[in-house]
Amino acid sequence: SQTIHQWPATLVQPVGSPLSLECTVEGTSNPNLYWYRQAAGRGLQLLFYSVGIGQISSEVPQNLSASRPQDRQFILSSKKLLLSDSGFYLCAWSGDGRETQYFGPGTRLLVL
Amino acid sequence: QKEVEQDPGPLSVPEGAIVSLNCTYSNSAFQYFMWYRQYSRKGPELLMYTYSSGNKEDGRFTAQVDKSSKYISLFIRDSQPSDSATYLCAMDSGGSNYKLTFGKGTLLTVNP
Repeated sequence: SQTIHQWPATLVQPVGSPLSLECTVEGTSNPNLYWYRQAAGRGLQLLFYSVGIGQISSEVPQNLSASRPQDRQFILSSKKLLLSDSGFYLCAWSGDGRETQYFGPGTRLLVL
Repeated sequence: QKEVEQDPGPLSVPEGAIVSLNCTYSNSAFQYFMWYRQYSRKGPELLMYTYSSGNKEDGRFTAQVDKSSKYISLFIRDSQPSDSATYLCAMDSGGSNYKLTFGKGTLLTVNP
């Protein structure tokens, strides 16, 4: 069966510091991968999605970037964090033949 | 008009009650409909997945889609305290856009 991992689970970072969040998927090949941010009262905001290695589509221009160095690895990065980057970051995958997505456990980021 | 509307609640019911959660949408191209359950500080978990109109039942959960009214529902019978969570609806038109459209979620509390 497929499993999706995210780490770290929780992160507290100072403003201006860099960021790297990692997501890996097991048990499937060539998944579509997604990064979301979830803020209280604002629902799920799609940040990036990828349909293959090195292929990244950005949904919202912002302080963040994404990379997909391997088939089942998706990385969310920032060179300098802003206070507004705080939130709950979720990675998801799709590609089991159904038009749906499966989410990871999430990373809670607090920028101080 | 937002693409997907979902009453954020909060909704509080006694244990054993029948719960009805709803979403309306505006895009008639949507064909795939999902309900996710999200416990506090966790990633969303796929609960129900349906295609086109009709009903789908899984244990105490029933998903209903009315495409003519652009309205979907999730019914929970014999609700339990463990059902306390945020419920998100999501939908997709299929094809190759790879993206789901989410409601903002309804917070449900089932009181023992």
